[in-house]
Amino acid sequence: AQTVTQSQPEMSVQEAETVTLSCTYDTSENNYYLFWYKQPPSRQMILVIRQEAYKQQNATENRFSVNFQKAAKSFSLKISDSQLGDTAMYFCASLHVQGAQKLVFGQGTRLTINP
Amino acid sequence: DVKVTQSSRYLVKRTGEKVFLECVQDMDHENMFWYRQDPGLGLRLIYFSYDVKMKEKGDIPEGYSVSREKKERFSLILESASTNQTSMYLCASSLRGTSVMNTEAFFGQGTRLTVV
Repeated sequence: AQTVTQSQPEMSVQEAETVTLSCTYDTSENNYYLFWYKQPPSRQMILVIRQEAYKQQNATENRFSVNFQKAAKSFSLKISDSQLGDTAMYFCASLHVQGAQKLVFGQGTRLTINP
Repeated sequence: DVKVTQSSRYLVKRTGEKVFLECVQDMDHENMFWYRQDPGLGLRLIYFSYDVKMKEKGDIPEGYSVSREKKERFSLILESASTNQTSMYLCASSLRGTSVMNTEAFFGQGTRLTVV
């Protein structure tokens, strides 16, 4: 089975604060990738950050970083110094590398950054 | 820039109609996906394809079929539209990559389908 679960439907923080979005996943594969995507009000999905399961080092992209806990099958996203433009839906996703590359998403977290 | 184009942004169809949603990508990607997006349920995978004429069922294939006759085009078909298929439909494509750096999915703008 390949599932992704985001347990926080909505979150709200003040501008400049740090916020962490949770994601857990389930897979029977050893070789997989994990992603966070952002969907702003414009609806265009944009990749935020990516992580390879074989790499223990947590990925970072500017203000965005992940906490990848492979044994716990957890992949949380941390946004530092949040900005108004970070307001969006955030989706966690997993991709199996072998065979047909199925890309599965979670339920999403609606994040609002308040001025 | 990679471009994934969906044929319509908004569509209104009647119950029982056959509906075609078209998706075209211009980056020679092997993988193409169809999702539906509903509030609280996230993106749910309907079907995906990893090559021409190859298709795999996703998590919610019932009531849908797909066609991939050319590498750049992936069509979603609602054989007999029903009101519970009212939703936002998103198409995506990606390389069949072996590195996390080249397996990013690129999305179309979405089609909001209303079945009345």
